Amino acid sequence: DSGVTQTPKHLITATGQRVTLRCSPRSGDLSVYWYQQSLDQGLQFLIQYYNGEERAKGNILERFSAQQFPDLHSELNLSSLELGDSALYFCASSARAKFQETQYFGPGTRLLVL
Amino acid sequence: DAKTTQPPSMDCAEGRAANLPCNHSTISGNEYVYWYRQIHSQGPQYIIHGLKNNETNEMASLIITEDRKSSTLILPHATLRDTAVYYCIVRVGPTGGGADGLTFGKGTHLIIQP
Repeated sequence: DSGVTQTPKHLITATGQRVTLRCSPRSGDLSVYWYQQSLDQGLQFLIQYYNGEERAKGNILERFSAQQFPDLHSELNLSSLELGDSALYFCASSARAKFQETQYFGPGTRLLVL
Repeated sequence: DAKTTQPPSMDCAEGRAANLPCNHSTISGNEYVYWYRQIHSQGPQYIIHGLKNNETNEMASLIITEDRKSSTLILPHATLRDTAVYYCIVRVGPTGGGADGLTFGKGTHLIIQP
């Protein structure tokens, strides 16, 4: 158990819909990262937040957005969903934003878009 | 971040040492070598990291060649639970730039045989 929690574990929705994935980082961690893992693209970094502010962006689509709240939990919002958005979405946290900080991953949310 | 090359798959007998190689010939002076693993659709798990010296923790040992162009992750007594995809990741240190997200390649699928 990494200490990072994600809800829901599974999510099934239809194309065109909007969903919100939630992540609670390890106690004391200020940095939250979101990753997407699909069969064809592998594990890809989407976005990072540090203490409430966006810190770095990876391959995140414009239809996707995230935020980190004052209590440090984070939400990833996926809108206008397409079949290709079906994937595992992982959240990770680290103590600080420095590059060598270890990232601890949650169990993931499995999203299926029908 | 420097690119890494890993064999797509490896087998190892249970109880034996598993040695997973990684080539990172373009690594620069401030880049660290990180190893993560992912056990069947679970969140990736941090194993170990190093800069130039060999490192050991309760999970594994990391051997980095003197020229730093390659490294080997050693699981000293592999068990069936070590069957996973192992990712070697090279990333900049605290003085570098770029996104803080990890860049995952395809990794090595290590299969521990009973």
